[in-house]
Amino acid sequence: EPEVTQTPSHQVTQMGQEVILRCVPISNHLYFYWYRQILGQKVEFLVSFYNNEISEKSEIFDDQFSVERPDGSNFTLKIRSTKLEDSAMYFCASKSRLAGGPPPDTQYFGPGTRLTVL
Amino acid sequence: AQSVSQHNHHVILSEAASLELGCNYSYGGTVNLFWYVQYPGQHLQLLLKYFSGDPLVKGIKGFEAEFIKSKFSFNLRKPSVQWSDTAEYFCAVNVRYSSASKIIFGSGTRLSIRP
Repeated sequence: EPEVTQTPSHQVTQMGQEVILRCVPISNHLYFYWYRQILGQKVEFLVSFYNNEISEKSEIFDDQFSVERPDGSNFTLKIRSTKLEDSAMYFCASKSRLAGGPPPDTQYFGPGTRLTVL
Repeated sequence: AQSVSQHNHHVILSEAASLELGCNYSYGGTVNLFWYVQYPGQHLQLLLKYFSGDPLVKGIKGFEAEFIKSKFSFNLRKPSVQWSDTAEYFCAVNVRYSSASKIIFGSGTRLSIRP
């Protein structure tokens, strides 16, 4: 069964450094998402992406964050200057769209990247 | 704004006990409802989902959930839990027919099963 994959599984960085988290969504999916989960807290929506542009973003997704689909398979989240409070598990998700109908709303999640900012 | 409430933060049960985890959401329109499970050290997995039709939905591993529209609830149930059900359970909602709709998660319920 196709899966969403994410790399790396764990990223450790110094405060102020840039990080890029990578995701490979399921191949025929068209909608892409990033969520994060700070340790002990709930999963929070960051951003959704469709047709090469951001569809929606949360208040968390400020100017330090950006997303990109650089080719036909990868979907990346960049944090320009990491802060201690960016330490979290970051989940990528994707969903497909049925031709001629409303999009099915089942999002499939990747295994996550644990980001630790020191 | 949409929100999801899970009132039980931590539930401890013995094996073979019955389980019911509460979930309420706030949104007046038509929604899709989900339960996700996160086993220790693993990623989110979809347990079950409700889009339309029979309000009693069955998922994997013997779980089921009932959508009660009048109560804005979508409680998760399992008649007899196993030690392997130890995990964090998240109720979630999104707005139906919104093309790129985000998922709103509840705060999660940690389930611990005593062997």
